[in-house]
Amino acid sequence: DIQMTQSPSSLSASVGDRVTITCRASQSINTWLAWFQQKPGKGPRLLISRASNLQNGVPSRFSGSGSGTEFTLTISSLQPDDFATYYCQQYNTYSRTFGQGTKVEIK
Amino acid sequence: EVQLLESGGGLVQPGGSLRLSCAASEFTFSNHAMSWVRQGPGKGLEWVSSISDSGRDTLYADSVKGRFTISRDNSRDTVHLQMNSLRVEDTALYYCAKSDCNHIGCRLADYWGQGTLVTVSS
Repeated sequence: DIQMTQSPSSLSASVGDRVTITCRASQSINTWLAWFQQKPGKGPRLLISRASNLQNGVPSRFSGSGSGTEFTLTISSLQPDDFATYYCQQYNTYSRTFGQGTKVEIK
Repeated sequence: EVQLLESGGGLVQPGGSLRLSCAASEFTFSNHAMSWVRQGPGKGLEWVSSISDSGRDTLYADSVKGRFTISRDNSRDTVHLQMNSLRVEDTALYYCAKSDCNHIGCRLADYWGQGTLVTVSS
């Protein structure tokens, strides 16, 4: 299986901060990479597909980049609604593995 | 807005069985592949199984192959997960997820339910 490694595992930030989360794949996945946001008691919400395609309704402060094995999720100006856990997921193979998550907390 | 409502979770002893259901609404269910993904306590997300739009094609994670069976009823907009020979390590919150297209190769889940909790313990 392809291993997905996210960093950091958690971070503390303030409203208005720029936040970057990194995801690394153990082998090339082209751009078959998705980012999800999860809040307590809720299922994951798809934010970005194909590494950089923002889903309808997702604020433009979210962006994704990368290809091959290195990917980033950037929140340009953190808002109160953005405090959550973020997961990357590769869907290059049928086993579609996830990163371990990055918890974004209020500083 | 797409709605996915899971049910059927509960407490079961090791070796027991449980059947999960997911009721879908607000989209054309028969046009989309569906999946189950689980999240163990303190663990990350793990894909479990997927089924094509017609139900003809299915896929399973190695960890559940031979024990779990995914099925769907397109007349009732429902997908099921029959779980047999349950193990302690199957304890998790089980999510139903809609795929972004119809065939078994559709690996992107664009909408998720809120999950149903399965606890395997003696």
